[in-house]
Amino acid sequence: QSALTQPASVSGSPGQSITISCTGTSTDIGTYDYVSWYQQHPDKAPKLMIYDVSDRPSGVSNRFSGSKSGKTASLTISGLQAEDEGDYYCASYTSKYSVVFGGGTRLTVL
Amino acid sequence: EVQVLESGGDLVQPGGSLRLSCAASGFTFMTYAMTWVRQAPGKGLEWVSTISGSGGSTYYADSVKGRFTFSRDNSKNMVYLQMSSLRAEDTAVYYCAKARSGVVVTSIDYWGQGSLVTVSS
Repeated sequence: QSALTQPASVSGSPGQSITISCTGTSTDIGTYDYVSWYQQHPDKAPKLMIYDVSDRPSGVSNRFSGSKSGKTASLTISGLQAEDEGDYYCASYTSKYSVVFGGGTRLTVL
Repeated sequence: EVQVLESGGDLVQPGGSLRLSCAASGFTFMTYAMTWVRQAPGKGLEWVSTISGSGGSTYYADSVKGRFTFSRDNSKNMVYLQMSSLRAEDTAVYYCAKARSGVVVTSIDYWGQGSLVTVSS
């Protein structure tokens, strides 16, 4: 199972919005609405930010939103804040009862 | 409060074996699948294995199939990852994590702090 495709890096200024894309195949994102997004700060465990394409866990800011079209999912962060800086990973359930992650995107807040 | 805590990470020689343990609390343990995800130094996340809430179903990444065994003891709220025939490429921080669902992982809502496994002579 090949990793989902994410841009290596994105950046934005405080207050701006950014979008991170995540492209899969017909055996993962293209078939299942089980896309999730994780935020990871250096030397910390990942944190769930979005699940089931667009749902937010309790406690996650509504500045984070998710969507999907075909085989591509997206994470949008609006009103960028310095604390949003870090690595972001997408993930999808797959037809082989497994999970596939994206390669990760480094977000820099300028 | 949900807590997930791994232990057992260590330095092991190539070809050796190691068992990771993970203690969970704060939720109805047998209701949820558990999973291991690893992260090699400076690299991204890689799914390793999933076990259903009942323990009756297990799933493995091709990279570890036949070498790793995932088990759980619902009476103790514990899961275990038995790793054998370890290779240098297995070197990583191993995260134990709770799935939001009961059989397979549709998403992961709670993660442990990670346990470092280093395979080197």
